Amino acid sequence: LAKTTQPISMDSYEGQEVNITCSHNNIATNDYITWYQQFPSQGPRFIIQGYKTKVTNEVASLFIPADRKSSTLSLPRVSLSDTAVYYCLVPNTNAGKSTFGDGTTLTVKP
Amino acid sequence: DSGVTQTPKHLITATGQRVTLRCSPRSGDLSVYWYQQSLDQGLQFLIQYYNGEERAKGNILERFSAQQFPDLHSELNLSSLELGDSALYFCASSGDSSPLDEQFFGPGTRLTVL
Repeated sequence: LAKTTQPISMDSYEGQEVNITCSHNNIATNDYITWYQQFPSQGPRFIIQGYKTKVTNEVASLFIPADRKSSTLSLPRVSLSDTAVYYCLVPNTNAGKSTFGDGTTLTVKP
Repeated sequence: DSGVTQTPKHLITATGQRVTLRCSPRSGDLSVYWYQQSLDQGLQFLIQYYNGEERAKGNILERFSAQQFPDLHSELNLSSLELGDSALYFCASSGDSSPLDEQFFGPGTRLTVL
């Protein structure tokens, strides 16, 4: 199971771009990288998923270098409502497991 | 609203007791996942069922058990409860059995063991 490492917390200000990096050194060939967002006392919500290079949707972008040992979630122009915990996970398709790490608590300040 | 429902929303019980948490997946979803989230341990994967069969097992204690019924709803049974079992229990569902599938989480059941 690929273990992920993220910063415990990050602070930002409204309107800034936020980049959260996740390390997954032992990612397997067929593993994907997935990011979820969780607000207090709510269940996590899917943000984005990718395998390599760059993936973009209406919420975020995901950058994955060629070696795939890390990935960066990019949130453009954050607002106060983006304050949440962001989880990077590498679902293990062989074991059928999804293991959430400790997540990164992002605090957006006015 | 994710479409996943969980009942009850809150549950307060005593040590040694047994409780049952219920989850109804999104319409059409065949997979149900159970997670435990406590303050000091983050989000822990417990177990996954797919179309009535156990698909994957995580850090689920022997005192805990789950099942998925023919109508695809799932129940998580927690017995011989301990103080440390106090946590938020989330259920999630997805369309297929692969952990790559987007999981839709319910609002959770907050269990307090006194």
